[in-house]
Amino acid sequence: AQRVTQPEKLLSVFKGAPVELKCNYSYSGSPELFWYVQYSRQRLQLLLRHISRESIKGFTADLNKGETSFHLKKPFAQEEDSAMYYCALGRGYQKVTFGTGTKLQVIP
Amino acid sequence: EAGVTQFPSHSVIEKGQTVTLRCDPISGHDNLYWYRRVMGKEIKFLLHFVKESKQDESGMPNNRFLAERTGGTYSTLKVQPAELEDSGVYFCASSQDWRTGSSGANVLTFGAGSRLTVL
Repeated sequence: AQRVTQPEKLLSVFKGAPVELKCNYSYSGSPELFWYVQYSRQRLQLLLRHISRESIKGFTADLNKGETSFHLKKPFAQEEDSAMYYCALGRGYQKVTFGTGTKLQVIP
Repeated sequence: EAGVTQFPSHSVIEKGQTVTLRCDPISGHDNLYWYRRVMGKEIKFLLHFVKESKQDESGMPNNRFLAERTGGTYSTLKVQPAELEDSGVYFCASSQDWRTGSSGANVLTFGAGSRLTVL
């Protein structure tokens, strides 16, 4: 069974500090990992996916198959980064499974 | 391009009543998902349609929930009879078929959600 774990419900950091949102997964096969974000009063939307290997809004995430992790990182947090972040896993025809989410709070 | 549309945005009903939620996916998206956010945080999978067929309904909590997707277009999720614990936000999402190989395959586009309050 596929599972996504986000150990932190809330992460508070000061503006300008580095951010790391943790995500671990379990999956028998080659997974496709995503980070979705929901800003206040907006819809849940894709932030980035591991196969794109791109940086979005300064965020990056590297898939570590050895540690089965897909942590989301940003070197310098901005106030507008405050939001709910969900790690998700899916592959091909299978359902997309979400983690429990981490609320990121950037303190001015 | 129109996004994923959900109706109603908010429904308040009494325990025992029936509610039907509707989702219109992005045109051409074969995959349609229903999720529920409980306790304001966790997004729990309910079911997955591929066109009009139920690919996976393992997340449906019980037989009070019925989802349909007639003709592979819009989908409805009916809760009958509603219970207090059914309260939450129901999200619909759609995506292109992964076999298209497009950059959008497997990327979910979400609707704004339907908030259900059962009193």
